[in-house]
Amino acid sequence: KQEVTQIPAALSVPEGENLVLNCSFTDSAIYNLQWFRQDPGKGLTSLLLIQSSQREQTSGRLNASLDKSSGRSTLYIAASQPGDSATYLCAVQAGTALIFGKGTTLSVSS
Amino acid sequence: DAGVTQSPTHLIKTRGQQVTLRCSPKSGHDTVSWYQQALGQGPQFIFQYYEEEERQRGNFPDRFSGHQFPNYSSELNVNALLLGDSALYLCASSPATGQSTDTQYFGPGTRLTVL
Repeated sequence: KQEVTQIPAALSVPEGENLVLNCSFTDSAIYNLQWFRQDPGKGLTSLLLIQSSQREQTSGRLNASLDKSSGRSTLYIAASQPGDSATYLCAVQAGTALIFGKGTTLSVSS
Repeated sequence: DAGVTQSPTHLIKTRGQQVTLRCSPKSGHDTVSWYQQALGQGPQFIFQYYEEEERQRGNFPDRFSGHQFPNYSSELNVNALLLGDSALYLCASSPATGQSTDTQYFGPGTRLTVL
């Protein structure tokens, strides 16, 4: 059974810091891995999608990496801003369903 | 493009009642998935509909049922509500191309509170 774990559960940083969020999964037979952002009480916004054959994807200040063999992914956020404060969710797709971690809640102070 | 829309936004029910949640997929998408997100947890897959049929189901009891209409919109029905059904219910749509580049687009969710 696929399980997704995210560490840390919560993170507080001052504005301008670079930070890394971690995601691990137990079964390497995945279709793709996605990182989502969720603001309190809201739906999910897709940030980056990495296909199983890819190693990383970049969008603006965000960079996500994927190491299928070790079952790990990282989301790197450069020069964090208060507007980055949200919960970040990692999800793997195997078949039609997305399997999510519990998320990392990020707070960036000005 | 309106994106994925869900209704209602909030809903309060009492134990034992039945509820119906609605979802309209993003334009051009024909596959709809439903997820339940309890407070402080990641979303959990309930089921997915394609061509008006349930294609895959997660680990949820039969009290949870769904339907997809010819225009690809979908309903989630929950019978005999329990306190533990209180959650944010998310609908996601995707194209049925089966490509690994396909992302699921999520709606804003329906917040269900069971008293």
